[in-house]
Amino acid sequence: GQQLNQSPQSMFIQEGEDVSMNCTSSSIFNTWLWYKQDPGEGPVLLIALYKAGELTSNGRLTAQFGITRKDSFLNISASIPSDVGIYFCAGPTSNTGKLIFGQGTTLQVKP
Amino acid sequence: AAGVIQSPRHLIKEKRETATLKCYPIPRHDTVYWYQQGPGQDPQFLISFYEKMQSDKGSIPDRFSAQQFSDYHSELNMSSLELGDSALYFCASSQTSGGGTQYFGPGTRLLVL
Repeated sequence: GQQLNQSPQSMFIQEGEDVSMNCTSSSIFNTWLWYKQDPGEGPVLLIALYKAGELTSNGRLTAQFGITRKDSFLNISASIPSDVGIYFCAGPTSNTGKLIFGQGTTLQVKP
Repeated sequence: AAGVIQSPRHLIKEKRETATLKCYPIPRHDTVYWYQQGPGQDPQFLISFYEKMQSDKGSIPDRFSAQQFSDYHSELNMSSLELGDSALYFCASSQTSGGGTQYFGPGTRLLVL
C-alpha cells in the first residue's frame, strides 16, 4: 500500500536554529498536510498544500508541495522552545479523504 | 473558532467491557473520520462517514462499529475490549466543499486493564 517516508526521525537543535524535515512517497498525492502533535493531544494542522510546486508560509513555517507530487518539505525558521513536538506529514489516499501519515519527526529545542 | 469536540477525554475499561466514544465535528463539516494512534505510532485510519453514510473503512476490528447521526455527530462503539485496544482515538472532521482538509479533535485516551 501507499507509504509516506518522513525524515529525520528526530532532531535536537539549539533555540534560534532553522529546521527542515521532509516527506517522500512512491505514489502521487494531490494534497500534502503538515500537522504538529503535542503529547496526548490531537494533531494540529499547520499548513495545507493543494498544488504541485506550491510554497506556503504560516509565520515561521514554510512548506512546499514537490513538483513531482511525490514529496513535500517543512521548514521552521528561528526555532523557539514551544516548537517542541512531533511533526507529521499526511496525505489523502483515496477520494474519500482518509489520511495516511508519515512516521513523524520528533523535534526538541534546547533553550 | 469552534473545533472538533471529543468525549470523554479519558476512559478506563476492563477487558471484555464496552466503550462508546463521541465526536462532535466543526459546524457545517459534513465528513467525520476516526483514527487510532498507539504509543509512538502515527494515527491509523479506522472509518469515515459522509452525510451520515459510511464512506470508507480501514483496519477497524469487527468488534468496533460507528455511525454518524442526523446532527452530524459520530459515535465509535467498541465491544469485547482487549488490552491491545488501549490507544488514543481521534476524530477529525472536514468540509468536502472546502478541499477536504481534516481538523482533529483532542482525542480520547482509552486504557483497557
